[in-house]
Amino acid sequence: QKEVEQNSGPLSVPEGAIASLNCTYSDRVSQSFFWYRQYSGKSPELIMSIYSNGDKEDGRFTAQLNKASQYVSLLIRDSQPSDSATYLCAVNSHGGATNKLIFGTGTLLAVQP
Amino acid sequence: DADVTQTPRNRITKTGKRIMLECSQTKGHDRMYWYRQDPGLGLRLIYYSFDVKDINKGEISDGYSVSRQAQAKFSLSLESAIPNQTALYFCATSDSGGPTGTQYFGPGTRLLVL
Repeated sequence: QKEVEQNSGPLSVPEGAIASLNCTYSDRVSQSFFWYRQYSGKSPELIMSIYSNGDKEDGRFTAQLNKASQYVSLLIRDSQPSDSATYLCAVNSHGGATNKLIFGTGTLLAVQP
Repeated sequence: DADVTQTPRNRITKTGKRIMLECSQTKGHDRMYWYRQDPGLGLRLIYYSFDVKDINKGEISDGYSVSRQAQAKFSLSLESAIPNQTALYFCATSDSGGPTGTQYFGPGTRLLVL
């Protein structure tokens, strides 16, 4: 089992719709969770971080964390073509003591105009 | 100016050659990382350093070495490049450990080994 799993996609949504990206992780003691966006050929950039169970909202983005189910998700409301990118889920491993991030392989999101 | 810079941005080399990828940062962060990214495999950690005197292997360190010349500089070397080291390489930095640490990435170096 991979430590951080994501559906590779592509996830195709129409412009204006809600895009839902999902991620599961295997290390139960993980404490911090991140969503990075990566445009093709570019470097990852941080969109959201979440540390506590529940929802965290930032503009059109909402991160959701459920530690009991070892599940973290990212919702993008009012999706725009400029949101088309690969979204990487990252988990701080080993209880956060070392600040090493384990990355999923990413989900490719395509927003259709 | 970019906070995390990498040189070169693109490099073509031949099998057996030694090459160095360089990373510099102006963020004042103590922690620096080298990753490689391959299609379908995501980002994988090669080496990381928590300060100038601290170097640690990541999950795929074989065939690579690093040098932390100063707080702001972290170099990755391929002692004898081979074709399966063809990849996109990223340097990253962070300013703290614990659960709140966030990593910031450089623009990447695209390496082709012939």
